Amino acid sequence: DIQMTQSPSSLSASVGDRVTITCRASQGISNYLAWYQQKPGKVPKLLIYAASTLQSGVPSRFSGSGSGTDFTLTISSLQPEDVATYYCQKYNSARVTFGGGTKVEIK
Amino acid sequence: EVQLVESGGGLVQPGGSLRLSCSASGFTFSSYAMHWVRQAPGKGLEYVSAISSNGGSTYYADSVKGRFTISRDNSKNTLYLQMSSLRAEDTAVYYCVKSRIVGATVFDYWGQGTLVTVSS
Repeated sequence: DIQMTQSPSSLSASVGDRVTITCRASQGISNYLAWYQQKPGKVPKLLIYAASTLQSGVPSRFSGSGSGTDFTLTISSLQPEDVATYYCQKYNSARVTFGGGTKVEIK
Repeated sequence: EVQLVESGGGLVQPGGSLRLSCSASGFTFSSYAMHWVRQAPGKGLEYVSAISSNGGSTYYADSVKGRFTISRDNSKNTLYLQMSSLRAEDTAVYYCVKSRIVGATVFDYWGQGTLVTVSS
């Protein structure tokens, strides 16, 4: 089974900071990688799919990159409303797997 | 507007059974694969099961294989998850989820979830 490892598991940053979250696949998954945001007490929301394609309505400060085994989610300027847990998800096969999550807080 | 409304959750004893339902609206239900994703309290997301648009193909995570059965009724725009031999580790919020496009397991709409608690 392909494992998805996110790092860090949590981070604290200031408003306006550039934040980067990493997701690593144990085997290559091409660009079959999505990112979700889950705010406290809320339902997960799709941010990015195909590693770098922004879902409609998602602010442009969010971006994704990578291919193969290494992927990143970047928030170019952290805002208070970005406090959430972020999950990566591989979907190159029926065996969908989520990463363990990265909790983002404001310093 | 796409809506996914789950129901059927609750408290059940270990070894018991429960059937979850998800009523869908706002899109052509019969054209999309549908999925269940769960989240244990304070934990991450776990993919549980999937069913193709016509119901002819299903997928189960190893953790639920042989105990859970996914099905759908396209005439009623409803997705189901029959859960049996429930264990404490099945305690979670269960989300009904829609694929973003046909053929891609990317989830663009999530229901609000229904809580299943397995405890004596």
